[in-house]
Amino acid sequence: SSELTQDPAVSVALGQTARITCQGDSLRYYYASWYQQKAGQAPVLVIYDKNSRPSGIPDRFSGSISGDTATLTITGAQAEDEADYYCNSRDSSANDPHVLFGGGTKLTVL
Amino acid sequence: QITLKESGPTLVKPTETLTLTCTFSGFLLSSDEVGVAWIRQPPLKALEWLALIYWDDERHYSPALKSRLSITKDTSKNQVVLTMTNMDPEDTASYFCARVTYSRSLWFDTWGQGVLVAVSS
Repeated sequence: SSELTQDPAVSVALGQTARITCQGDSLRYYYASWYQQKAGQAPVLVIYDKNSRPSGIPDRFSGSISGDTATLTITGAQAEDEADYYCNSRDSSANDPHVLFGGGTKLTVL
Repeated sequence: QITLKESGPTLVKPTETLTLTCTFSGFLLSSDEVGVAWIRQPPLKALEWLALIYWDDERHYSPALKSRLSITKDTSKNQVVLTMTNMDPEDTASYFCARVTYSRSLWFDTWGQGVLVAVSS
């Protein structure tokens, strides 16, 4: 089956722009969604359906796609954005469609 | 307001069957075009999708665990139940349920708080 690949760690200076990527063949067919998970908490959806934000998610979070790579961009990163971020999409490779998660990226805000 | 909450044992023995219940509110799994999924996360590791069931009773399972999983829904109780057979210490994880919304793509828009299940003799 397919995989979604994320860099294990990304760091960003306070107030600067962080970019977290997710690469996989399934992303040529399906949009990625993105989740923020802080320590000891459940994940929270931050981006879905390419670049839609749920109510309550700041507009500094945005999503984009190019080829087989989806990117979560945090413009003007804040200290409270320090967390693990996961992407997911449908899997395009199997006859029985199922779901993929990336391995997660730990974002550090310096 | 949409909420989901997981319940079940916090400790199971190897080879036993795990049964987890997700009780939800704020949506209908009988008529709204949504689903409910189970996702787990071993300590300090990544999220892993396990299973999902749609409003029309269509079900999908992780290929790696398909032989051990079963997902069912009880719309009268607003519950989704996951069973996992032949538990192993490697199945120690936090287990989350989440509401699934979809178009061509799919996303988990609301999550439960999770339940930590340890597998040990």
